[in-house]
Amino acid sequence: DIQMTQSPSSLSASVGDRVTITCQASQDISNNLNWYQQKPGKAPKLLIYDASNLETGVPSRFSGSGSGTHFTFTISSLQPEDIATYYCQQYHNLPYTFGQGTKLESK
Amino acid sequence: QVQLVQSGAEVKNPGASVKVSCKASGYTFTAYYMHWVRQAPGQGLEWMGRINPNSGGTNYAQKFQGRVTMTRDTSISTAYMELSSLRSDDTALYYCASEARPSSWGQGTLVTVSS
Repeated sequence: DIQMTQSPSSLSASVGDRVTITCQASQDISNNLNWYQQKPGKAPKLLIYDASNLETGVPSRFSGSGSGTHFTFTISSLQPEDIATYYCQQYHNLPYTFGQGTKLESK
Repeated sequence: QVQLVQSGAEVKNPGASVKVSCKASGYTFTAYYMHWVRQAPGQGLEWMGRINPNSGGTNYAQKFQGRVTMTRDTSISTAYMELSSLRSDDTALYYCASEARPSSWGQGTLVTVSS
């Protein structure tokens, strides 16, 4: 199975900050990577697919980049509603695997 | 719009089985894979498997092989996930998620395994 390692596991940031989360795959996954946002008590929401494509309706302050084994997710200017846990997921090989999550908290 | 509505919460004894349903609307049900993902309390997301609603073909994570069965009823655009030989560590929120766009997940079904 492909292992997905996210870092950091948690971080604190202030409104307006630029926030970056990384995801490392244990083998080449091309650009077959999703990024999800999950708020407490809610289902995950897809933000980014194919590593860098913004899902319909998602604000442009969210972006993704990378290919192969190293990926980056960025919030350009943190908003209060962005406080959540973020997950990467590879869909290059079955089983589709998730990173362990990054909990973003308000500073 | 794409919408997935799951069945209600379940409480099961250890060793029992549970069957969760996921009714799809707003898109062509047979055109997109349906995935099942679970989340134990306070934990991360775990992919369980997927079903091709058109053919009925399935792929399961090795961890669940032999205990999970994913099926579908195309006449009512509904997918099912059955998990057998339940243990306490199967207590989790179970989600269905379609590959249709825009991406949609069900609201989650809480399965509690307790004697």
